[in-house]
Amino acid sequence: AQKITQTQPGMFVQEKEAVTLDCTYDTSDQSYGLFWYKQPSSGEMIFLIYQGSYDEQNATEGRYSLNFQKARKSANLVISASQLGDSAMYFCAMREPFAAGGTSYGKLTFGQGTILTVHP
Amino acid sequence: DTGVSQDPRHKITKRGQNVTFRCDPISEHNRLYWYRQTLGQGPEFLTYFQNEAQLEKSRLLSDRFSAERPKGSFSTLEIQRTEQGDSAMYLCASSPRAFRQDTQYFGPGTRLTVL
Repeated sequence: AQKITQTQPGMFVQEKEAVTLDCTYDTSDQSYGLFWYKQPSSGEMIFLIYQGSYDEQNATEGRYSLNFQKARKSANLVISASQLGDSAMYFCAMREPFAAGGTSYGKLTFGQGTILTVHP
Repeated sequence: DTGVSQDPRHKITKRGQNVTFRCDPISEHNRLYWYRQTLGQGPEFLTYFQNEAQLEKSRLLSDRFSAERPKGSFSTLEIQRTEQGDSAMYLCASSPRAFRQDTQYFGPGTRLTVL
C-alpha cells in the first residue's frame, strides 16, 4: 500500500520569500508518480507539478520546483518568491502505476495537507 | 478546452434522502475518478472508470453508493439513504490516456451536507 506523509500542518512565509513544503512517501512500486496540488478555500484541486519515479532531474514549473530525493523517499515542494495568492492548502499525492492485467489503475493517494499562509 | 465541471456545487439534504451528483470530464479524457474529501483531510479514492467501464471501487464505496458513466462521457455518483457521515466534498477528476504523466485534473467538487 502507498502512503504519503506531510508533517507540517501549517507553514508561514513572508511575501517574496521562498518556502519548502515537506512530503515523504512509502511504496513498494518501482514505477510511480508524485504530484503536488493546491487547494484554495474555494475547494478546487489545482495541479501544480509532477515528478516521475524514473525522472533524473527535478521537475520545475514556473515558481514551483520539486526537490526529489528518491533514496530518502521525499518529494518536497519549493515555492519561490511567494505571493499572497499562494495562501492555500497544499497536498502531496502519489499515483500508483497502471498495472498490466488490470490490478491497479493510477489512483492517487494523498497526504494530510499543509496550510500555507503568506504574510505581506 | 473547458475543465472538469461538477453539478451541483453544493447540496444540502436530510438524512435518509437520495442524492445524485454529476461530473463532466475534460473532453476526450477516457479516465475518470471520484474522490471524497472530509474536513481537514486529503481526498480519498472512491472509484475509477475507463470509458464506460467501472474498473475499480474502494471499500469506502458502500452498497448505498453507485456510480455510472454511460457512453463513457459524463459520470454520476448516487448516494442512497444518506447518513450524516456522508457529509463531505465529492471530487471528480479526469485524465487522458497518456504514457508518461497521466495528470488528473479535478473539478470544483460538490459539497454535500446531510442534516
